[in-house]
Amino acid sequence: NSKVIQTPRYLVKGQGQKAKMRCIPEKGHPVVFWYQQNKNNEFKFLINFQNQEVLQQIDMTEKRFSAECPSNSPCSLEIQSSEAGDSALYLCASSLSKDTQYFGPGTRLLVL
Amino acid sequence: QQQVRQSPQSLTVWEGETAILNCSYEDSTFDYFPWYHQFPGESPALLIAIRPVSNKKEDGRFTIFFNKREKKFSLHIADSQPGDSATYFCAASAANYNQGKLIFGQGTKLSIKP
Repeated sequence: NSKVIQTPRYLVKGQGQKAKMRCIPEKGHPVVFWYQQNKNNEFKFLINFQNQEVLQQIDMTEKRFSAECPSNSPCSLEIQSSEAGDSALYLCASSLSKDTQYFGPGTRLLVL
Repeated sequence: QQQVRQSPQSLTVWEGETAILNCSYEDSTFDYFPWYHQFPGESPALLIAIRPVSNKKEDGRFTIFFNKREKKFSLHIADSQPGDSATYFCAASAANYNQGKLIFGQGTKLSIKP
């Protein structure tokens, strides 16, 4: 069973509002991934970190997305100005290395 | 090309039968192939995974068959149970080439009829 913690579980925002979600990786896992799963069950990789350093990221959707993994604090993913198309399940996964990934419960974002 | 193709889109089998889900890929740099299942309203949970050094991996009723030459891998669920009804996703990653990001298949919605 995954020990990745994600908060909040549900997030409702109006268009143009900021949306911020957090992730605490499993203890001892230095690698963190963020994915977006849309209503068609399609997964989109967003960014990953090893400790506090970004390993890889997509062109973060016109710069509206930002993420960080500060030391001794939860990782976070923030959407600066939410759009209806951002409505999705945001999944955080953690890993000991870069292969076996365990997902948290996700944050379900609804942008009205 | 970093794509993973999965079939069928949906599958119904009777309780006790073996369900077979299929995936294929093109990128030879992929070196890790997990299967996840996802129940409605939940997040994906890791089921079983394989690396190309093996052509078979078993864990209870779940078996991955891997064909490196044909770039195909499949999940066999033996003695299917109604509780196995879920959406199954195959995936692939390459730790040294794409920093471990998972490329997912399109998913197979599996229904087990009692």
